[in-house]
Amino acid sequence: AQSVTQPDIHITVSEGASLELRCNYSYGATPYLFWYVQSPGQGLQLLLKYFSGDTLVQGIKGFEAEFKRSQSSFNLRKPSVHWSDAAEYFCAVGSYSGGGADGLTFGKGTHLIIQP
Amino acid sequence: EPEVTQTPSHQVTQMGQEVILRCVPISNHLYFYWYRQILGQKVEFLVSFYNNEISEKSEIFDDQFSVERPDGSNFTLKIRSTKLEDSAMYFCASSVASETQYFGPGTRLLVL
Repeated sequence: AQSVTQPDIHITVSEGASLELRCNYSYGATPYLFWYVQSPGQGLQLLLKYFSGDTLVQGIKGFEAEFKRSQSSFNLRKPSVHWSDAAEYFCAVGSYSGGGADGLTFGKGTHLIIQP
Repeated sequence: EPEVTQTPSHQVTQMGQEVILRCVPISNHLYFYWYRQILGQKVEFLVSFYNNEISEKSEIFDDQFSVERPDGSNFTLKIRSTKLEDSAMYFCASSVASETQYFGPGTRLLVL
């Protein structure tokens, strides 16, 4: 069974500082990987995704993530955070085998706090 | 930009009552999903739906749950007899084929 681990429950970063949120996955084949962001009381917004090809993917709002197969990781990064980045960040893995509509498996999330 | 919409945004119900949560997926999407998020916990997959039938379901999706696409635009989740532990945020999502899932804003269900 696939699983996603986000080892950091909370992360506090100063505004303007760089950010890295960790995500490790367990999956038998090549996974499809996603990062979603959830602001308080809001739904899930897709930040970026990895299906294949270039292992460094760019997303919205200046975020990027790097797929490292050897480490089973898909860490999210941003060079300079803004106060508006404060939110809950979820890593998710999908397995689109056989054309079926497979559900995503989410990590528990990392709560990002931005200090002024 | 097209979005997934969900109604109602909030619903309060009494234990044992039936609830129907509604979703309008993005119009050209063919795959539809329901997820739930209990307060403070991670998002959990419930069920996926394609070609008018359930494609995959999790162990959470027991006989109390059902899904339906009653017309060309709506996708519903019905909970037949709600329990206290069904209190959660329920998210609908849709995708074009087996690609990125786009989520709606959610329905917050409170069972009293």
